[in-house]
Amino acid sequence: NAGVMQNPRHLVRRRGQEARLRCSPVKGHSHVYWYRQLPEEGLKFMVYLQKENIIDESGMPKERFSAEFPKEGPSILRIQQVVRGDSAAYFCASSIAGQGNSPLHFGNGTRLTVT
Amino acid sequence: AQKITQTQPGMFVQEKEAVTLDCTYDTSDQSYGLFWYKQPSSGEMIFLIYQGSYDEQNATEGRYSLNFQKARKSANLVISASQLGDSAMYFCAMREGSRAAGNKLTFGGGTRVLVKP
Repeated sequence: NAGVMQNPRHLVRRRGQEARLRCSPVKGHSHVYWYRQLPEEGLKFMVYLQKENIIDESGMPKERFSAEFPKEGPSILRIQQVVRGDSAAYFCASSIAGQGNSPLHFGNGTRLTVT
Repeated sequence: AQKITQTQPGMFVQEKEAVTLDCTYDTSDQSYGLFWYKQPSSGEMIFLIYQGSYDEQNATEGRYSLNFQKARKSANLVISASQLGDSAMYFCAMREGSRAAGNKLTFGGGTRVLVKP
């Protein structure tokens, strides 16, 4: 079984461009979580989505960031008009249910560099 | 609000020896879950071990064990017989108890472990 797949693995954008990060959850998983990791820091929660719904976006910056998890296809984290401070590793995780004893399994992350 | 504290930013350990990584947490929830993840230099997040707040036994997974002291709100990770491949960042994380939070995790700042041959 494939785990959580994220692409691209590395993404370079100039200031002002848009960044699109994709996450394909484990097959059968309908809950997706996005986290951001700044250098030398722990992961910070951004958003929790279920198919076609945003459940919790309390960690998302109010502007320029958006996320979706459509009925078909991967979850997308979109950052508009990127700035240098957006440079970070972005991780996606998925789970089969809303909560349980099973751990969150993470993708390998997308490393965004804004030049 | 949830809070996870890892007080050791970095530590050295001799190969084949055991090492304990500290983690304390703060929560008002009665039901919660505690996790440890390993992040090697390649960057991926690898799940190591899980402890539920109602679990009476300390969790163990191979060379990893979790020293869970609920009254002290600590969940230290013990790695026995360290190997060179254990060199990595280690993160402690907590899942909130409310169902609405799903599997949302709060992470500590991490401890960097370097195993010396």
